[in-house]
Amino acid sequence: AQSVAQPEDQVNVAEGNPLTVKCTYSVSGNPYLFWYVQYPNRGLQFLLKYITGDNLVKGSYGFEAEFNKSQTSFHLKKPSALVSDSALYFCAVQGSSASKIIFGSGTRLSIRP
Amino acid sequence: DGGITQSPKYLFRKEGQNVTLSCEQNLNHDAMYWYRQDPGQGLRLIYYSQIVNDFQKGDIAEGYSVSREKKESFPLTVTSAQKNPTAFYLCASSIEGQGIYNSPLHFGNGTRLTVT
Repeated sequence: AQSVAQPEDQVNVAEGNPLTVKCTYSVSGNPYLFWYVQYPNRGLQFLLKYITGDNLVKGSYGFEAEFNKSQTSFHLKKPSALVSDSALYFCAVQGSSASKIIFGSGTRLSIRP
Repeated sequence: DGGITQSPKYLFRKEGQNVTLSCEQNLNHDAMYWYRQDPGQGLRLIYYSQIVNDFQKGDIAEGYSVSREKKESFPLTVTSAQKNPTAFYLCASSIEGQGIYNSPLHFGNGTRLTVT
């Protein structure tokens, strides 16, 4: 069975500092990995995805994520955090082209001025 | 602008009443989905549809029903059989041409249902 874990319920970072939001996954076969962001009382917005190729994936709003097959991780990163990055972030995984997308429980990112 | 419209944004119902949540998309996407979001639990799939007049149960379909009579529309009915209906409901769609399994999901802004 496929699964995804976001081990931190909340991440707090000062504005201008780098941020990392962690995600680990478990699937059989090659994974398809996604990051989404959700602002209060809104739907999720797609940030980036890993399907194949380069392990470092660049996405919207200056975010990037690094795929690490040996550690089965797909951590979201940004070199310099903005207050406007404060939101709820979801990692999602799909184990194959025939399986459903599974979402993590979400990590609340709080950027203090 | 293309997108997904969910209505209403807030919905209040008495226990025992059925209620229907609307989802309309003008993205020309073949696949549509309904998710339920509860605090600390991420998103759970209720139903999905890959094509008009066809839909499949997701992980938590009990107490819910859907229809897909038009490509643009995928309404969700929360029935009185759903034991804990109070939640935030999200509708999404994706491009079938790229394969519904690895193309990004486009989400509506959700309907917050409160049942008392």
